[in-house]
Amino acid sequence: GENVEQHPSTLSVQEGDSAVIKCTYSDSASNYFPWYKQELGKRPQLIIDIRSNVGEKKDQRIAVTLNKTAKHFSLHITETQPEDSAVYFCAASQGDSWGKLQFGAGTQVVVTP
Amino acid sequence: GAGVSQSPSNKVTEKGKDVELRCDPISGHTALYWYRQSLGQGLEFLIYFQGNSAPDKSGLPSDRFSAERTGGSVSTLTIQRTQQEDSAVYLCASSLLPGTTYYEQYFGPGTRLTVT
Repeated sequence: GENVEQHPSTLSVQEGDSAVIKCTYSDSASNYFPWYKQELGKRPQLIIDIRSNVGEKKDQRIAVTLNKTAKHFSLHITETQPEDSAVYFCAASQGDSWGKLQFGAGTQVVVTP
Repeated sequence: GAGVSQSPSNKVTEKGKDVELRCDPISGHTALYWYRQSLGQGLEFLIYFQGNSAPDKSGLPSDRFSAERTGGSVSTLTIQRTQQEDSAVYLCASSLLPGTTYYEQYFGPGTRLTVT
């Protein structure tokens, strides 16, 4: 089955700096890669996603890049703010199943003022 | 509109007892998912209901775990003979029915299960 690895497990950045989280996946049939943000004590929420026919997608201060050949994708947050502090999860679809997602273990991001 | 709701929010049970966790998806969402999140860990897929099709149970960790979805709406996750390693937050999510594209999964607040 699909295996998703996420690095780093924790990331501390100064406010205004950039943060990068990287994920690798194993299933070459995966074609959907969402990122979820989970603030302390709250439910996960989708922040951005990318499909396999696209190499990069941007939404204001966040962007995601996908390298299908290397089977890795990354989340980039620019101009970080204290409210960006949260746990971020990457996920990859499992094969041709449109609903099943395999999640990474998460990255705890701490933005210090 | 109302989001995904789950009940109870917290459940403490003794080892060996059975528990039932409930999920009310967003109205109109025909796909429903259960995940387990252990402390400091990612989301572990458990089961996936997709419309009227047979559920994908491939993530259930043992035969003590089962789930059903009545009337294509409310779902119940049942854990029989609970063990301490079952302690975790159980998250439910729903989405529009995936067909030829993906739809965002909306998560509920979770049920924190503690087995003593």
